[in-house]
Amino acid sequence: NAGVTQTPKFRVLKTGQSMTLLCAQDMNHEYMYWYRQDPGMGLRLIHYSVGEGTTAKGEVPDGYNVSRLKKQNFLLGLESAAPSQTSVYFCASSYSEVGVAKNIQYFGAGTRLSVL
Amino acid sequence: DQQVKQNSPSLSVQEGRISILNCDYTNSMFDYFLWYKKYPAEGPTFLISISSIKDKNEDGRFTVFLNKSAKHLSLHIVPSQPGDSAVYFCAASGYSGAGSYQLTFGKGTKLSVIP
Repeated sequence: NAGVTQTPKFRVLKTGQSMTLLCAQDMNHEYMYWYRQDPGMGLRLIHYSVGEGTTAKGEVPDGYNVSRLKKQNFLLGLESAAPSQTSVYFCASSYSEVGVAKNIQYFGAGTRLSVL
Repeated sequence: DQQVKQNSPSLSVQEGRISILNCDYTNSMFDYFLWYKKYPAEGPTFLISISSIKDKNEDGRFTVFLNKSAKHLSLHIVPSQPGDSAVYFCAASGYSGAGSYQLTFGKGTKLSVIP
């Protein structure tokens, strides 16, 4: 049982390049999330999805786009990478009932991205 | 403004003693609280949680206490073991619209358990 899988694990980009981070989950979860973790900043929500074909902005969405074409996959795109996007990116998924606060999220191992 | 605060960036405890990690929050609308544990180069893993209608939840060596009036929760680990050395994140679940909830995370506390 793989849980949440992120690819790639590491990536180095030059300023202005683009890339897509892939997240896949095999738990049949409706909700998926992308976070970034920076030193001393904790986890900050970039975008999230409450179901196939839906996306919404989180706390720090600027410079990123997302797509959820299939229930099990959630893609995070950087169209023109900037050094400020150097970070560790985590994907998570959860089973969450509508109107229920209990929201246990399960995380992938992360993607470490450096933008030079 | 930080809605979930972990004011201690680090904590050192002797093996076998109690570890107490603290977390404060400002949003009274948070309904559910969680603790995550994170080892280096790995993703956060869910540890224990508590609903806002309870004041204590226990799971083996881990107990979470919630004081709603003080907007404070704590994680107790007894007895502490070297394998507990990790970064611990406090998170709170709040309504984000359209029937869905989001987690707001604290900045984490690095626990070191000394053999």
